[in-house]
Formats: sequence, structure tokens, C-alpha cells
Amino acid sequence: ETGVTQTPRHLVMGMTNKKSLKCEQHLGHNAMYWYKQSAKKPLELMFVYNFKEQTENNSVPSRFSPECPNSSHLFLHLHTLQPEDSALYLCASSQYLDGYTFGSGTRLTVV
Amino acid sequence: GESVGLHLPTLSVQEGDNSIINCAYSNSASDYFIWYKQESGKGPQFIIDIRSNMDKRQGQRVTVLLNKTVKHLSLQIAATQPGDSAVYFCAENSVNSGTYKYIFGTGTRLKVLA
Repeated sequence: ETGVTQTPRHLVMGMTNKKSLKCEQHLGHNAMYWYKQSAKKPLELMFVYNFKEQTENNSVPSRFSPECPNSSHLFLHLHTLQPEDSALYLCASSQYLDGYTFGSGTRLTVV
Repeated sequence: GESVGLHLPTLSVQEGDNSIINCAYSNSASDYFIWYKQESGKGPQFIIDIRSNMDKRQGQRVTVLLNKTVKHLSLQIAATQPGDSAVYFCAENSVNSGTYKYIFGTGTRLKVLA
């Protein structure tokens, strides 16, 4: 366990479904992140939250909607996704500009 | 745009030999670099970091070398073991920029041969 917990580990959803990914960290970090990891591509930053305020939205389609109710929890709400959105979604946290601590990810398959 | 890249997508190494994984970065303002290891089914894990005021840093069986002149970073793993099989990423950031955004390379898969 890294201290960053993601649920669920695996998710299969249809294109008309609505689902949410959850991330929780108990490291006392101030920043949390969502990354998308696809095969043969670099990690793609999606969103950054610093003290629960969104500081970065990396041109992510609106079918991905983040929520950060407090510094320890981060959600990614999904709706009307496309098959190309299938990927590993990684949550990470950091204390200011220190390196990230990653969760194990949610393997998402859109059918 | 700025990018961080890796020279070799796959590296096969005999068990017990040393491994060297390379990374090139293009942002000359980058001043903080991290190597991550990602095993199958897991998220990336921090291995070692280095700041731009250093050119070498050693950990347990790992050494990171930084050459700012040619904007090159390398990770050396001594006496490679089967448990070292994973994908390795380099990441860079400019701490002075105040941004929380790291740029990651594509990754190199290290395969350890028995």
C-alpha cells in the first residue's frame, strides 16, 4: 500500500453509463492529481487539485468531471464515455512540489 | 512543446548484470527529476530523485546521473534482479515554475533474463 487508495480496481461500463472513480490519500498531502495511462503513450495529466481547489484542467473533455470535496478525497465522475477512453486511470498525491505518490489505478474498459 | 523521452522502449538484461536506462529532456529550465518504477498491475513507484545542482545521486543498487549540458538523465541498476522487471519512467519539473505538473517520458520496459 502506498497510502493512496483507488477504487474500484477494475471497471467495465457502457457508453451510456454514469460511474465514478474514487481516490483517497492519508498522507497529509495538499495536492491530488488524475492521470490517464494508455498503452505506448506517456502519462497524461488530466486534473490537478491543490488544497481542494482545481489548479489545472489539461483540456479534458467534459465527459470527465472531477470533484475534490477535501484534501484527502478525489473523485472522477464519468458519463457517456467513448471506447477510446479505455485506459488505466491513476490518482496521485504530493506534498507541494515533491514527487508523486501514486495509487494502483482503476483499469477502465468502455464497451 | 516541452517533452521528456526515452531512447529505448525495451531493455533486456541478464540477471546479475547492470542495467542502464536513459532519458532525454528538452526543457532546460527543469531542475528536478524523478525515476519511477511501474510493475504490472500497480501504479508508478518513486525510486530516486535528483536536483539540478547535482550530477549524481546514489540509492540502494540504483544511481541516477544527470548531464545538464546535453539534457540527459540515466538510471543505473546494479546487479539486476528478476524483481527489477518493470517499466521505468523519468519525470521532470521546474520547481521554480511553481507548477505541480510533471512531464513524464513514455517509459522503458526492463526485462530481466534468468
